Amino acid sequence: GAVVSQHPSRVICKSGTSVKIECRSLDFQATTMFWYRQFPKQSLMLMATSNEGSKATYEQGVEKDKFLINHASLTLSTLTVTSAHPEDSSFYICSAWGAGSQETQYFGPGTRLLVL
Amino acid sequence: GENVGLHLPTLSVQEGDNSIINCAYSNSASDYFIWYKQESGKGPQFIIDIRSNMDKRQGQRVTVLLNKTVKHLSLQIAATQPGDSAVYFCAENKGYGQNFVFGPGTRLSVLP
Repeated sequence: GAVVSQHPSRVICKSGTSVKIECRSLDFQATTMFWYRQFPKQSLMLMATSNEGSKATYEQGVEKDKFLINHASLTLSTLTVTSAHPEDSSFYICSAWGAGSQETQYFGPGTRLLVL
Repeated sequence: GENVGLHLPTLSVQEGDNSIINCAYSNSASDYFIWYKQESGKGPQFIIDIRSNMDKRQGQRVTVLLNKTVKHLSLQIAATQPGDSAVYFCAENKGYGQNFVFGPGTRLSVLP
């Protein structure tokens, strides 16, 4: 089946720094990728939809200037958490749905971000 | 389609028994549904899916039932094993290319 990878799997950073998370589709092209955030003991919440070659679409309440998304190729989307604060600590998960995969979404393993 | 997951429901079952996890979905326009399993610290893992033109689908040890009339989805796990302990999410989708909307999740605990 299709595989989606994320890097890094875990990151700890100081408050005020920026962190970049990569999401890659390994054996298929992903025209659309989704970024979800999951707080402890909660469900996954969609943050934004990343479209290859165009601007991302953000969900209500998600700051686009804080969570920068770049989808420059059909296999890579990046999420940059700018000026991270402790409340940004969460589990960030990407998924991909595109040509070559079955008609479903494939999720990455997630990135756990801890902001001190 | 809002997720309210501050209090995660828990289902405890004896090893070897069958488990039934229920989910109410929100959008009558949703036509594709997936059950995901999530273990601690990991991303969601696909279990089984079903489209709205079906009301039942079976996999290995798992069965998904869909009742569109009452917008209800269930996941049945036969002969539950310790490795089945995880949080299970249902997710609904309105079509290819769209995002999934996740339910609040249910924690399954398998007792020895």
